[in-house]
Amino acid sequence: DVKVTQSSRYLVKRTGEKVFLECVQDMDHENMFWYRQDPGLGLRLIYFSYDVKMKEKGDIPEGYSVSREKKERFSLILESASTNQTSMYLCASSLSSYNEQFFGPGTRLTVL
Amino acid sequence: AQKITQTQPGMFVQEKEAVTLDCTYDTSDPSYGLFWYKQPSSGEMIFLIYQGSYDQQNATEGRYSLNFQKARKSANLVISASQLGDSAMYFCAMRGAGGGNKLTFGTGTQLKVEL
Repeated sequence: DVKVTQSSRYLVKRTGEKVFLECVQDMDHENMFWYRQDPGLGLRLIYFSYDVKMKEKGDIPEGYSVSREKKERFSLILESASTNQTSMYLCASSLSSYNEQFFGPGTRLTVL
Repeated sequence: AQKITQTQPGMFVQEKEAVTLDCTYDTSDPSYGLFWYKQPSSGEMIFLIYQGSYDQQNATEGRYSLNFQKARKSANLVISASQLGDSAMYFCAMRGAGGGNKLTFGTGTQLKVEL
């Protein structure tokens, strides 16, 4: 079975802090994704990566950056956390551009 | 731009009955894919079923089937013989023709299965 793990289930940070959310997949998937999920809005794509060191902006990249130095790991970075970034963050991976995405358990981030 | 619409914020169904969750989509791409995911209260997203825009037959996976009506741009999920464990949030999503396997998600439908 594909396993996608995220570094924390719950995280509390203060406004202005730099925040790192880590995601690791164990199935040699090419594509990796970061979404945020907010009530009534569904999931929205922040960034995705289709190869090591490659990244593309999703629908809501403002305030976020990403890093993919190794194929299995995709990090989401909040350079200076703000309260409007309080949300559930979901990481996903897929084998190729035509396969289903497998999701991690999510990180619920609260920014105070 | 792609758009997914799920008009049912919440649904109730009795155990052992069938239920249909609605999903309509909008895209100008001739090639696209439609997905359904289940999100239990624990939070993880579970892939259920996939339908490609050129697939001739409606997709089925166990108790899940997808009622794909291309002309109406709808891709409704049908769950047969509902079980208590089906209580969850259900999301419809679409992948367009652009590269990278990006998905556009709907806002979800909360399904509650009752005894």
